[in-house]
Amino acid sequence: DQQVKQNSPSLSVQEGRISILNCDYTNSMFDYFLWYKKYPAEGPTFLISISSIKDKNEDGRFTVFLNKSAKHLSLHIVPSQPGDSAVYFCAASPRPGSARQLTFGSGTQLTVLP
Amino acid sequence: SQTIHQWPATLVQPVGSPLSLECTVEGTSNPNLYWYRQAAGRGLQLLFYSVGIGQISSEVPQNLSASRPQDRQFILSSKKLLLSDSGFYLCAWRPPTVLNTEAFFGQGTRLTVV
Repeated sequence: DQQVKQNSPSLSVQEGRISILNCDYTNSMFDYFLWYKKYPAEGPTFLISISSIKDKNEDGRFTVFLNKSAKHLSLHIVPSQPGDSAVYFCAASPRPGSARQLTFGSGTQLTVLP
Repeated sequence: SQTIHQWPATLVQPVGSPLSLECTVEGTSNPNLYWYRQAAGRGLQLLFYSVGIGQISSEVPQNLSASRPQDRQFILSSKKLLLSDSGFYLCAWRPPTVLNTEAFFGQGTRLTVV
């Protein structure tokens, strides 16, 4: 039972355009959401997060949107750069006080074409 | 500052041999510790997590075990490796706080069982 789903395994975008990566979740206990970026043979690095009390969080070129009613979040990268090419994982965490583990989606390979 | 060390970076082991992967965290106390696996072309699967010394929770039945002999040390083991144990293993930690925070990952171990 996949509680966090990334239905697009891959995405190609032209340099300078917007990249939109999507993520859906099913567990209503999730209230903290994160995006990680991963290069081959390396550990994931944290990119941006959002709490369920917000619907948008922005950090430079990266913006995460949360639609709680649809149980959907998305990551926007504007403008996209070739160095953004990587696998992007979304993750979700239950409310504080639980075991605090993160549940990850299956990832989306983003390729930014020069 | 906090750092996480994971070793070895790569490992090739024959089927039926034992396994021991080690992870240590520096600069924090009583972290929550995690072992994840990324199989080829798949997402990050949580294998084990620990909220304290000697406290291990297993997420999926498998051929692996985990131990936490010291506060900041997390070990992933197997008595007899299977071909299906091949993958990219990641250790991660999160602060022991009620606030929402991200998890920090090590660089990973590429395990190939031959």
